[in-house]
Amino acid sequence: TQLLEQSPQFLSIQEGENLTVYCNSSSVFSSLQWYRQEPGEGPVLLVTVVTGGEVKKLKRLTFQFGDARKDSSLHITAAQTGDTGLYLCAGAKGGSEKLVFGKGTKLTVNP
Amino acid sequence: GAGVSQTPSNKVTEKGKYVELRCDPISGHTALYWYRQSLGQGPEFLIYFQGTGAADDSGLPNDRFFAVRPEGSVSTLKIQRTERGDSAVYLCASSLLSVGRGRGDEQFFGPGTRLTVL
Repeated sequence: TQLLEQSPQFLSIQEGENLTVYCNSSSVFSSLQWYRQEPGEGPVLLVTVVTGGEVKKLKRLTFQFGDARKDSSLHITAAQTGDTGLYLCAGAKGGSEKLVFGKGTKLTVNP
Repeated sequence: GAGVSQTPSNKVTEKGKYVELRCDPISGHTALYWYRQSLGQGPEFLIYFQGTGAADDSGLPNDRFFAVRPEGSVSTLKIQRTERGDSAVYLCASSLLSVGRGRGDEQFFGPGTRLTVL
């Protein structure tokens, strides 16, 4: 059973379009992180959200943590080809440092 | 560079053999994590060290897997009697964690070791 469900699993869009990726769970997390991973490399942290309802912006990327701290979303505005990659959400449960990852959303932005 | 480094980058071995995977964390990082990533999956937690001790080894799949960090810096993941199902990318991460906050401190990942068991 996957603790964190990400959707969609694959997404192929044209440059300039907007998109949203979702990360859902039935469990409560003390924090949730979003990573981006490129082939042959390890994941790179984009953002950490810790407060229910929190919204963080990183240039064209907007991250939201659900009020109940069970879900999160990543919205990209005006996608660019450089946004192509695997986007992973990962949660930490209270009292633990280990991260539980979702399966990821593979995003392809076409020119 | 000052990032997390892992060696070897690729390892091909035969079923039943023993392998060691090495991780050099970022200098000064007290916490070190091992994850395993199978094709089409997200990373799966294996073990976490705080200093020299294993603070959480709940993700190790069985007793064929063992990890050490004798001096609180470099870590080695050891797999005995390898099986084809062990084939995956093994990722190491480190973080500057002085006091556990239970929030999954910012972890910096290495490029991984791709293990193939024939």
